[in-house]
Amino acid sequence: NAGVMQNPRHLVRRRGQEARLRCSPMKGHSHVYWYRQLPEEGLKFMVYLQKENIIDESGMPKERFSAEFPKEGPSILRIQQVVRGDSAAYFCASSPRGLQHTGELFFGEGSRLTVL
Amino acid sequence: QKEVEQDPGPLSVPEGAIVSLNCTYSNSAFQYFMWYRQYSRKGPELLMYTYSSGNKEDGRFTAQVDKSSKYISLFIRDSQPSDSATYLCAMIPSRDYKLSFGAGTTVTVRA
Repeated sequence: NAGVMQNPRHLVRRRGQEARLRCSPMKGHSHVYWYRQLPEEGLKFMVYLQKENIIDESGMPKERFSAEFPKEGPSILRIQQVVRGDSAAYFCASSPRGLQHTGELFFGEGSRLTVL
Repeated sequence: QKEVEQDPGPLSVPEGAIVSLNCTYSNSAFQYFMWYRQYSRKGPELLMYTYSSGNKEDGRFTAQVDKSSKYISLFIRDSQPSDSATYLCAMIPSRDYKLSFGAGTTVTVRA
């Protein structure tokens, strides 16, 4: 009964480098959501994906950020040319069906990105 | 004005006390309300989930929703040091998937 698995748990990058964050949803879950948590702020929705489809990426910056959830393998959140403002905790969550049907969202332990 | 307002605290109480947490919101479309607990350096864990006005009880936890006042509360009875964490309220409109979170209230229960 593994939960939502995220890696790496901690990532340090210099400005201009790329960051790749991975998320394996709970077994049987095909809906994945990414949220970002900045210090002193609540979690902010970034993107909602199902297998091979981006359903809603309205919370994700238009530039430098991308997400995918391939048919095989984990979901990946990719940040290109990172800047200091990207430093945050990035949480992945999954649900067995769309959240609008179940209301239950299971979070991973997060990936904490630090940009030097 | 933020869509969801939550006093960040911090809140410090002695063991055994009742902890009272609350959030206010501005979007009348919110229909489902959740409370998450987040331990330091961990992910949020769902504590309570409600969809109607009124009270819902689960062990030492009671969630209250007052949609007319756009106000939700979480009460923790007989608080324990293990309850020390940040508590996040979250809410969502019907048939939506984007949760809106409060900033979280940090609670410390002193032994």
